[in-house]
Amino acid sequence: QKEVEQDPGPLSVPEGAIVSLNCTYSNSAFQYFMWYRQYSRKGPELLMYTYSSGNKEDGRFTAQVDKSSKYISLFIRDSQPSDSATYLCAMSPSNDYKLSFGAGTTVTVRA
Amino acid sequence: NAGVTQTPKFQVLKTGQSMTLQCAQDMNHEYMSWYRQDPGMGLRLIHYSVGAGITDQGEVPNGYNVSRSTTEDFPLRLLSAAPSQTSVYFCASSDTDYTEAFFGQGTRLTVV
Repeated sequence: QKEVEQDPGPLSVPEGAIVSLNCTYSNSAFQYFMWYRQYSRKGPELLMYTYSSGNKEDGRFTAQVDKSSKYISLFIRDSQPSDSATYLCAMSPSNDYKLSFGAGTTVTVRA
Repeated sequence: NAGVTQTPKFQVLKTGQSMTLQCAQDMNHEYMSWYRQDPGMGLRLIHYSVGAGITDQGEVPNGYNVSRSTTEDFPLRLLSAAPSQTSVYFCASSDTDYTEAFFGQGTRLTVV
């Protein structure tokens, strides 16, 4: 079993829809939770990060962490075609620089 | 501000050949790492370094060597390429605030 599980999709939604992405994990030591966005043939770039449990909002993006369920989510409101990308969840323990990534979910927003 | 620069962008090797993937960062970051990305597998950590002269193994280190003689550079060496090493390789760097890793554009390697 992988340490971080993420449904690879693909996910296709119409413009303006809410996109819901999630990951589950098995390592209870994870304290830092991140979402990276990767456009085709580019390197990943950090979208959001959250420490421990709770919610974080940044514009159209909301990240949620539920440590009791070992489950994290990313919501994209009012999705745009420019949001079409692969979204990767990543996690790390509090005292370790090493990131564990999910497989990534490919999202297409149709105009 | 270049960020993290990887060279080459594309490479085709024959089985048994050796090569070095280059990675340089201009952000004075202490932490650097190499990942490989394969379909359905996400990014997997190969090797990482927490500073010049210090390196350690990640999840999938076999077949790869690294060294860190300067803060800026972190090359990845394939000593004897195998088809299983066909992948996209990403170098990343981060500061002491290690929640954000900055990635290069990747090197697409094919071993035939």
